[in-house]
Amino acid sequence: DTAVSQTPKYLVTQMGNDKSIKCEQNLGHDTMYWYKQDSKKFLKIMFSYNNKELIINETVPNRFSPKSPDKAHLNLHINSLELGDSAVYFCASSQGQVHNSPLHFGNGTRLTVT
Amino acid sequence: GEDVEQSLFLSVREGDSSVINCTYTDSSSTYLYWYKQEPGAGLQLLTYIFSNMDMKQDQRLTVLLNKKDKHLSLRIADTQTGDSAIYFCAERRADSNYQLIWGAGTKLIIKP
Repeated sequence: DTAVSQTPKYLVTQMGNDKSIKCEQNLGHDTMYWYKQDSKKFLKIMFSYNNKELIINETVPNRFSPKSPDKAHLNLHINSLELGDSAVYFCASSQGQVHNSPLHFGNGTRLTVT
Repeated sequence: GEDVEQSLFLSVREGDSSVINCTYTDSSSTYLYWYKQEPGAGLQLLTYIFSNMDMKQDQRLTVLLNKKDKHLSLRIADTQTGDSAIYFCAERRADSNYQLIWGAGTKLIIKP
């Protein structure tokens, strides 16, 4: 029944490793997002995909690569992890860029890089 | 969140009303949203208001919008311990391809 689900919930890894976070939504939405929330709870958008096409790509290191195999999935792959990548990563979805379409969020993936 | 501002903390007594404020700068706002984030959880949509409305009420929640002053508030009546969370204000801007611009969040602390 979960609308936006992300896995894993927790991810602890060492510097230099490569890791992926998966996201799936069953709301029938056509737009998906990745957000990063830092330790001060500030939310920053990283990427947005609409119908599998990248539409927002904020200033994010190219070690971060999103992949959208279909409208219901948006995965985030991170290469060569750094200490500063430690944060909570949220996936979200909405119905297009329509004015009043609110975002629905997953429960987050807490990434800790040691 | 530099264009959408919120106080970082608000402390209220259980049973009192909480008023969380948000100011924004852009005049192309279309919709404004309030989200709630409980510890260890994702953001949950609480309510939203269209920019040509002044007020919206939903049970214990009242949203007030002063478009002239670009000021948005969320009032929670009869605040309960379960209302402890971080509350985020967000605006959707027409001139930014309808992106959501987020405030930094207000942590609501409930005193017994």
